[in-house]
Amino acid sequence: AQSVSQHNHHVILSEAASLELGCNYSYGGTVNLFWYVQYPGQHLQLLLKYFSGDPLVKGIKGFEAEFIKSKFSFNLRKPSVQWSDTAEYFCAVRDNDMRFGAGTRLTVKP
Amino acid sequence: NAGVTQTPKFQVLKTGQSMTLQCAQDMNHEYMSWYRQDPGMGLRLIHYSVGAGITDQGEVPNGYNVSRSTTEDFPLRLLSAAPSQTSVYFCASSYSEGMNTEAFFGQGTRLTVV
Repeated sequence: AQSVSQHNHHVILSEAASLELGCNYSYGGTVNLFWYVQYPGQHLQLLLKYFSGDPLVKGIKGFEAEFIKSKFSFNLRKPSVQWSDTAEYFCAVRDNDMRFGAGTRLTVKP
Repeated sequence: NAGVTQTPKFQVLKTGQSMTLQCAQDMNHEYMSWYRQDPGMGLRLIHYSVGAGITDQGEVPNGYNVSRSTTEDFPLRLLSAAPSQTSVYFCASSYSEGMNTEAFFGQGTRLTVV
């Protein structure tokens, strides 16, 4: 089964800073890739997904992610973060089942 | 359309007690799964099901049982609760194939075993 690595445990940024969160999965083949966000006390919500086609995918709230097949990576980016982006972010890969990374906690200082 | 519904939202158990966490979805999804979320460990897959009558183990299945008698329901059973099972449990559902395989999550069950 796939495993997912998220490189950053906790990221602290000031508002308007740019964001990039790393995500790698363990092996190739046909996979679906996802980024989810979890606001404090809430359940996970989908930010964006990659199924096929254009490797640069755009999601909600100005987030985007780039699928790089050769690197088994699916990094999340946002050009300018807001205080309301403070949350935990999870990368996930869907193969036979869906596996999640350990998550990255993002704190945005106003 | 309620999505994924989990009950209860909170539960405290004594060590050795048994209980069932309920999960129901009304989206006609074939795939359902249970995760536990612990600090610093993300979501770990406990069990999953690709359709009624079919279940399989995930990463951390020990101490948990599941069954899938209908498409809608996927209960998770703790036969003899242990403090190590203190966690937040999420149920999720999705289509099995195609472009819409993203998981939809329930609101979670916060379980404390004392």
